[in-house]
Order: sequence, then structure tokens, then C-alpha cells
Amino acid sequence: DAKTTQPPSMDCAEGRAANLPCNHSTISGNEYVYWYRQIHSQGPQYIIHGLKNNETNEMASLIITEDRKSSTLILPHATLRDTAVYYCIVTDTGNQFYFGTGTSLTVIP
Amino acid sequence: DVKVTQSSRYLVKRTGEKVFLECVQDMDHENMFWYRQDPGLGLRLIYFSYDVKMKEKGDIPEGYSVSREKKERFSLILESASTNQTSMYLCASKITLGRKGGGGGNQPQHFGDGTRLSIL
Repeated sequence: DAKTTQPPSMDCAEGRAANLPCNHSTISGNEYVYWYRQIHSQGPQYIIHGLKNNETNEMASLIITEDRKSSTLILPHATLRDTAVYYCIVTDTGNQFYFGTGTSLTVIP
Repeated sequence: DVKVTQSSRYLVKRTGEKVFLECVQDMDHENMFWYRQDPGLGLRLIYFSYDVKMKEKGDIPEGYSVSREKKERFSLILESASTNQTSMYLCASKITLGRKGGGGGNQPQHFGDGTRLSIL
């Protein structure tokens, strides 16, 4: 599976959009991009995933560049409860998830 | 919503004990997974199962075994616990791609809240 690169930490003001970038320059054609988050002492929570097209659900939006080498997770109106570590993962089968160190997002009041 | 339940949030055992970690999912998923999570190392796959009585080794199976006698339950067994097995253990489940009602495409894994295991 392709590797991903994320900034180690980010801050975001409460109520503002949080934009979390992910670089996956070696992604192959059949690999999906997944985003999860993990709040301290809890299991990872699925957020969203996509292959080529941008995706939106009730939690977030996923923007994938045309060349698929990078993506951005957007939390449209960040709240304090969105403070967590966010993981970007690429996988073809969905059976091997390699969680790296992710981005620690802090939402500031 | 998918519910993946791990039997214990915190567990303390002694070196050499046989330890059982239990995981149950309520969504009739075919696939189940066991990971461990350690600081700086991310999640590492121990074993997974794609059907009852079927199992596949992940990246770090040594010192562990698994049991899948029923579709909803996947057990991780530490045959003889050692201190280097102190970790957070996470269970996950996933529907099979292409199954009717599965929605097509690639499908996410859904995780439990983990068991923090300490081996003394």
C-alpha cells in the first residue's frame, strides 16, 4: 500500500473550517483514500473515503486532486469535540490499514 | 450504526498467563481484524479473518493466535503473555466487497474502543 505524509499537528479556531492535508504521491490506480480520527483512549472512528471524486457526508468533505497524489479532509465548522488525531490511509483491499502518526488537530475556543 | 464491542477496556495480567481478548460485532460482517497500537508505531495488524473458522496472519502474528467459531465473534489469544505484549489492542470489522447490500466499492473497517492490556 502507498504511504502517506501528514503534518504532525495543526490548530483551528472553533467554528472555522479545518483543512487537513495528506500527501500520497505514490498512490496506485486501485487504491482508495480513507480518513479516520482517534480521540484519546477511544478506537479509530471512520470519517470518509473516496477513490477519484470528491466526497461529502455528514461529518466531512474529502477533496482529492485530479492526479490523486494528495487530498484534503475538510471539517466545515470545527468544534472542540473535533480535537483528535486524524489519519489518512490509502489501501486497495481495505484489509491492510497502515495508520501512521497522523495529524493532531487542536480546536481552539 | 455498526457496533464493535470489546469485552474489556482495561486488563492487567501476569507474565506467562494465557490471555483472551474478545470482540463482538452486530452487523453480520464477514471480515474481522485484530491490531495493536503502540506509541510511535501506529496500528499493526496481528491477524484477520474473512469468514468463520478462517484466519490470515497479519504483520506481527508471533505470540498470538485467534479463534473465529461464530461470525459475530473474533477472539485474540496470547498463549503465554510477555511484557512486550503490553499495548492497546483494537478489533475491527468490515463488510465484504460486492455482497448484496454492501454498497459496492471499497468498504471501511469499523473499530471498537480498544482494550488496554498491561502485562506485569
